[in-house]
Amino acid sequence: AQTVTQSQPEMSVQEAETVTLSCTYDTSESDYYLFWYKQPPSRQMILVIRQEAYKQQNATENRFSVNFQKAAKSFSLKISDSQLGDAAMYFCAYRSALSGSRLTFGEGTQLTVNP
Amino acid sequence: DSGVTQTPKHLITATGQRVTLRCSPRSGDLSVYWYQQSLDQGLQFLIQYYNGEERAKGNILERFSAQQFPDLHSELNLSSLELGDSALYFCASSVEGGSLYEQYFGPGTRLTVT
Repeated sequence: AQTVTQSQPEMSVQEAETVTLSCTYDTSESDYYLFWYKQPPSRQMILVIRQEAYKQQNATENRFSVNFQKAAKSFSLKISDSQLGDAAMYFCAYRSALSGSRLTFGEGTQLTVNP
Repeated sequence: DSGVTQTPKHLITATGQRVTLRCSPRSGDLSVYWYQQSLDQGLQFLIQYYNGEERAKGNILERFSAQQFPDLHSELNLSSLELGDSALYFCASSVEGGSLYEQYFGPGTRLTVT
């Protein structure tokens, strides 16, 4: 079974600074997808960014980018120019490409953005 | 707004009771997923339906059951409720049932068991 681990329960960053959230995962599969979801106080789950394991290029979405290290099974999220609206719980998630489409989530990292 | 709707938003009930949570997927989506978010267990997958048929099962208790109706809406039934069932229950939908397709989450139903 796949597992996802987020070792940072809480992180904080100053507004306009950069922060990196860590995620590691364990799988024996070679084809899969990785995601970062944001959950603001409203509790809505919002997809931030997605990475296909077969792609070597790291995904980028505006101020959000990932560092995907397949051999190390590491998938970190970098938020640049942090904004107050980025404050939320961030979840790393794994989805197999071959054996079902369920999402397996990490424990989450609570991000605080200080003005 | 993801286009996925869930009712009710909040539900407060007593131990031993039974409740039904409802989910309407995005227009055109055939697959529905249920997830539970609790303080103890985090976010975990419960069950998936695709076009009316059960597709995958996760950590769903025997006291819980789900179904997807011909109009594609889905219901999650929770019975003999315990305090530990208090959680946020999410429904997500996708176009198809495979992993290629994005899952869009509803706003969730907050269940409180007293």
